[in-house]
Amino acid sequence: AQTVTQSQPEMSVQEAETVTLSCTYDTSESDYYLFWYKQPPSRQMILVIRQEAYKQQNATENRFSVNFQKAAKSFSLKISDSQLGDAAMYFCAQMGGSEKLVFGKGTKLTVNP
Amino acid sequence: DTGVSQDPRHKITKRGQNVTFRCDPISEHNRLYWYRQTLGQGPEFLTYFQNEAQLEKSRLLSDRFSAERPKGSFSTLEIQRTEQGDSAMYLCARGQDTYNEQFFGPGTRLTVL
Repeated sequence: AQTVTQSQPEMSVQEAETVTLSCTYDTSESDYYLFWYKQPPSRQMILVIRQEAYKQQNATENRFSVNFQKAAKSFSLKISDSQLGDAAMYFCAQMGGSEKLVFGKGTKLTVNP
Repeated sequence: DTGVSQDPRHKITKRGQNVTFRCDPISEHNRLYWYRQTLGQGPEFLTYFQNEAQLEKSRLLSDRFSAERPKGSFSTLEIQRTEQGDSAMYLCARGQDTYNEQFFGPGTRLTVL
């Protein structure tokens, strides 16, 4: 069975600083995808970044980047130059061959001005 | 805009009543997913369609739940004889063939009194 663990229920960061959100996962599959989603308060889930497990290079999308450690089954999200609009729940998710997303419980990120 | 609309956005019902939710992806996509998100948790997979065929159902989807996608475009999720434990946000997502990405709608928040 696939599992995703986010060990930080809440995190905070000062505006313009950098923050890293942690995620670990477990799977027996060799081919899978990993995602980070953002869910602002009362707003819909938005895809932030995607990583294919077969790629060694870490994915980057503007201020968002990941640190993918396949052997350790770790997939952390780094947000650089944090902005007030980054405040949200962040969910780590995994997809294997079944094509369904398995989510962690989320990390609530607060950005302080 | 993720290209997925859901209706209604909010639904309040009394225990024992039937409710139906609708999901409309912006254009026809092969894959359409339903998830349920309870307070403080990440979304949990319910079911998934490829075109009009329902390919997988979670054990969370009891006999009181039924989903359809009659023409491979919009989808409906019906809950019969609602229970208070059904109170949750019901999320629909369209699948992207490339990179296995899923894009979520705004959700329908169900409150069962």
